[in-house]
Amino acid sequence: DGGITQSPKYLFRKEGQNVTLSCEQNLNHDAMYWYRQDPGQGLRLIYYSQIVNDFQKGDIAEGYSVSREKKESFPLTVTSAQKNPTAFYLCASSMLNNYGYTFGSGTRLTVV
Amino acid sequence: AQSVTQLDSQVPVFEEAPVELRCNYSSSVSVYLFWYVQYPNQGLQLLLKYLSGSTLVESINGFEAEFNKSQTSFHLRKPSVHISDTAEYFCAVTSPRTQGAQKLVFGQGTRLTINP
Repeated sequence: DGGITQSPKYLFRKEGQNVTLSCEQNLNHDAMYWYRQDPGQGLRLIYYSQIVNDFQKGDIAEGYSVSREKKESFPLTVTSAQKNPTAFYLCASSMLNNYGYTFGSGTRLTVV
Repeated sequence: AQSVTQLDSQVPVFEEAPVELRCNYSSSVSVYLFWYVQYPNQGLQLLLKYLSGSTLVESINGFEAEFNKSQTSFHLRKPSVHISDTAEYFCAVTSPRTQGAQKLVFGQGTRLTINP
């Protein structure tokens, strides 16, 4: 079955460490997105990518980095520069010019 | 810039009662509108969407939403809720003028709790 896989489901990180969240899709979608979800704030866009080797900043990109070396993969790195990284992170994908997102099941990151 | 406001952060209702989750948007251009549902510790699933045509759109599980351009609203309704409808609901907007990646702007979410 086609879909988006995010791993791990839960992640704990010590302050000052970088951590990478995985997002893989087998839907042959061109566009991929990373959103951050905090209680009462909805979803906020971190980064998005329309094509391999190209990506753009969203509304809250500071302290995050991404890569898009393969169409299927769009990993997100939460760096030590992110002041408040504890959150639920959601990856999504879509075809270009198509208004249907498919979401992964999310990664809950906790800084300890 | 576009924005979405969900007027209620939490809505408690009794089972089999009707419910309305309110969503208002702000945009200087034409819009496409969406409702997504999120069950605990899961990703979001598309519930319904308005792209064009009839302003009343329906989902397969009994929800409906009506696009009201004059009031810039897209409220979600269900005439009789079930315990299984307990979830968080998100309203989202994008513009049909956007080419390529379709960036959605989400509201803050409304937590719907169904009591027996």
